[in-house]
Amino acid sequence: AQSVTQLDSHVSVSEGTPVLLRCNYSSSYSPSLFWYVQHPNKGLQLLLKYTSAATLVKGINGFEAEFKKSETSFHLTKPSAHMSDAAEYFCVVSSLWGKLQFGAGTQVVVTP
Amino acid sequence: SQTIHQWPATLVQPVGSPLSLECTVEGTSNPNLYWYRQAAGRGLQLLFYSVGIGQISSEVPQNLSASRPQDRQFILSSKKLLLSDSGFYLCACKPSGSQGTRDTQYFGPGTRLTVL
Repeated sequence: AQSVTQLDSHVSVSEGTPVLLRCNYSSSYSPSLFWYVQHPNKGLQLLLKYTSAATLVKGINGFEAEFKKSETSFHLTKPSAHMSDAAEYFCVVSSLWGKLQFGAGTQVVVTP
Repeated sequence: SQTIHQWPATLVQPVGSPLSLECTVEGTSNPNLYWYRQAAGRGLQLLFYSVGIGQISSEVPQNLSASRPQDRQFILSSKKLLLSDSGFYLCACKPSGSQGTRDTQYFGPGTRLTVL
């Protein structure tokens, strides 16, 4: 079985400062891991995914995530937050047949 | 690349009324299709998935049902809505030719359902 835990339900950052969203997972398989972003009343957009290639994964909009097997973590970072980054972020682990297990989400607030 | 359409975008329905939400996919054939629900303040819950026409797997017992009458059409239904059915319903697609755990699901824009 697999599960995913997002350690922060809310993160508030100032514009131009770094963003860190924490995610830990457990999986019986060699996992695929994803980060999705959801803006209010919108569908989910894929930011990046890890599929056992490079452990440092670069995504869209300047985001990146590092897969650390020893720590069972897949934290999402961005060096400099932008106002448009305000949204909800989901860490996701994939099981067999593409069934996704979602974290509870982290709401990001960006202040001027 | 695939495109996922959902309609309606928003819906307000009284308790006890029927429901039909539709999802169609363009740009791929024989995809895996999924229905998720996102209730207020909660994460996403997988409701149904389908690996082919007429093949539906239910993840959570409830008063909802799903059907896949065509390869790229996925419908979520209810005969009598409950207040607890309110939420944001998302359709997702995993394109064909992809197996196992390595592949991405793409999401539609969602339907906001309010049951009064």
